[in-house]
Order: sequence, then structure tokens, then C-alpha cells
Amino acid sequence: KAGVTQTPRYLIKTRGQQVTLSCSPISGHRSVSWYQQTPGQGLQFLFEYFSETQRNKGNFPGRFSGRQFSNSRSEMNVSTLELGDSALYLCASSSVSLAGGSGEQYFGPGTRLTVT
Amino acid sequence: AQSVTQPDIHITVSEGASLELRCNYSYGATPYLFWYVQSPGQGLQLLLKYFSGDTLVQGIKGFEAEFKRSQSSFNLRKPSVHWSDAAEYFCAVGADRGSTLGRLYFGRGTQLTVWP
Repeated sequence: KAGVTQTPRYLIKTRGQQVTLSCSPISGHRSVSWYQQTPGQGLQFLFEYFSETQRNKGNFPGRFSGRQFSNSRSEMNVSTLELGDSALYLCASSSVSLAGGSGEQYFGPGTRLTVT
Repeated sequence: AQSVTQPDIHITVSEGASLELRCNYSYGATPYLFWYVQSPGQGLQLLLKYFSGDTLVQGIKGFEAEFKRSQSSFNLRKPSVHWSDAAEYFCAVGADRGSTLGRLYFGRGTQLTVWP
């Protein structure tokens, strides 16, 4: 079974631009979560989608948004990029259902975003 | 709110020596606990998880962890470290209810260096 894939793997953008990152979960997984990893703040939760609905959101500004498609693929968008948005963005998929239970999450390799 | 503390930022051990990485969590109920490993430039790989039952859990690559409710700890151990174990290790706690469903809270990580 193929793992979580993220595209692109590396991205360089300029301040003020916007960016879209993509994540394809493990086949059959309907939950997709996004995390930001930086040396200063560590791993921070951005949001989680399940069946095309955002189920949970972390403490990030509205410039960070996401969506999930009917095939469970997810995209995350960052508008008006700032230097502090430079980070590794990790996507994770899980088979956890709406009924509950924090199922184990499987992570992709991440997208390294550099804002100049 | 949930939180995870990994007291050791950096640990150095000799190859063949035993290893214990510490993790303390804060959560009001029985938590879901995880250990992940991250190699440079890579995503997170799940080593093991604790949901319920036997408090000593076995994982991949010869790792094990013990859940101690009285100490709010979930320490990771390996009897004999290999040079390939050098990486960063993250402890995480997941919730099973409410608004935090599906979200993981991570510790700041412990960087493991292995001397030959």
C-alpha cells in the first residue's frame, strides 16, 4: 500500500505570495491532518479534515486554510506569505472514524517551504 | 489542555549501549500515546503506540515503551542502540473526545546521537 505523498517536496516563494501544498493520503484513509514544523516552535497542528469537512483547527491565522476533496486528497493554502512561514509542512493520514478514537497517524515526507 | 514534555533535548550514547528517552504528558483522561522518529529531511515514522491494555508496548526496530499512569510517563527504550538509530524522536499524545479529536500534541523532540 502506498504511503502518504506530498507535493511539491520543496518550494521557494517570495513574501506576499501565496502557495498551495498538496497531500494524498493512504488509500482508504479519510482523515487528513496538517502540521507545521519549525526549529523554534516544533510541531504544531494546523487543521484536520475528515470527509471533506474541517473537524479541528489549530491556533494559526486565517491566512492558513485548507480543503479536502471527495477522494480524500487535501490541499493547504497559505496566502500573503511571511518570512516566518518558512517551515516543513507535514501531512498525516489516519483511518480514524467520526465515531471517535485518535487513530495512529501516518506522515508524508513533508513540503519544505522557504519564504524569501 | 494536553501537553507533552521531553526533558532531554539531546542524548548521546555509544553503539551497543542501552537507551531510554523520557516523555511526560498532561491529559485528564487515559491518553493515546505515540512515539515517532524523524530522520533528517524526512517525515515522521511511527515507532509504537499505546491505546489501552498492556502497559508495555513493542514497536518496530526493537523499540519498546512503558506507560506509567502514576507518573504520567511513556518512556521509550531500546536495549542495544545501532548507529542507524541516530535521529530525532518525538513523543505525542492524542485525544479521544471533543474538539481535539484527531489532533496530536507533540513534545519538542529528543535528538539522539550514536557514537561508533
